[in-house]
Amino acid sequence: DTGVSQDPRHKITKRGQNVTFRCDPISEHNRLYWYRQTLGQGPEFLTYFQNEAQLEKSRLLSDRFSAERPKGSFSTLEIQRTEQGDSAMYLCASSFAGDGYGYTFGSGTRLTVV
Amino acid sequence: AQSVTQLGSHVSVSEGALVLLRCNYSSSVPPYLFWYVQYPNQGLQLLLKYTTGATLVKGINGFEAEFKKSETSFHLTKPSAHMSDAAEYFCAVSDRATGGFKTIFGAGTRLFVKA
Repeated sequence: DTGVSQDPRHKITKRGQNVTFRCDPISEHNRLYWYRQTLGQGPEFLTYFQNEAQLEKSRLLSDRFSAERPKGSFSTLEIQRTEQGDSAMYLCASSFAGDGYGYTFGSGTRLTVV
Repeated sequence: AQSVTQLGSHVSVSEGALVLLRCNYSSSVPPYLFWYVQYPNQGLQLLLKYTTGATLVKGINGFEAEFKKSETSFHLTKPSAHMSDAAEYFCAVSDRATGGFKTIFGAGTRLFVKA
């Protein structure tokens, strides 16, 4: 297994456009997480899936954001009508379900909205 | 609600010197505790974690951390810094009561290592 893969690594988009990011987790992991990280800050929780079910969404995740994990495999995060404030690194991570497992993170997708 | 405070956004040490990165948490019950490291333009990598048992935990790259319940702390140490340790370090907690999902991260401490 090559770890958690995220695509694309970088995305530059114009304000108002829609963007979609993909995350392929470690195949044995049944939990998948999305976090957002802005410059100089720690990652902020956005949402998480256990298998295909989205079990929690942060208040940070406005209705312009949607995440899916069809069939409990890869996940996509879509941002509609992007705003400059959406510029950030979007991190995906996966883990086993259960107590105290740490996360394996992908390298992230850096979004720049111009 | 849980929270994490990392004391010092930047720490600078000389190569070979002790590394000490401070982390305090706030939680109604002792949470799961983690340290992650992030190199430029990369994701985070798990250094070590405390879940239960021995309060001194050892991680990768010679790092260790001690859980002190009375001080609500989980400071990260390394006896001798190496140039390759220069990176950003994040302390994190997750709620034991919910099975450990939704990890909350601190703001990070950037470690500089001087030759």
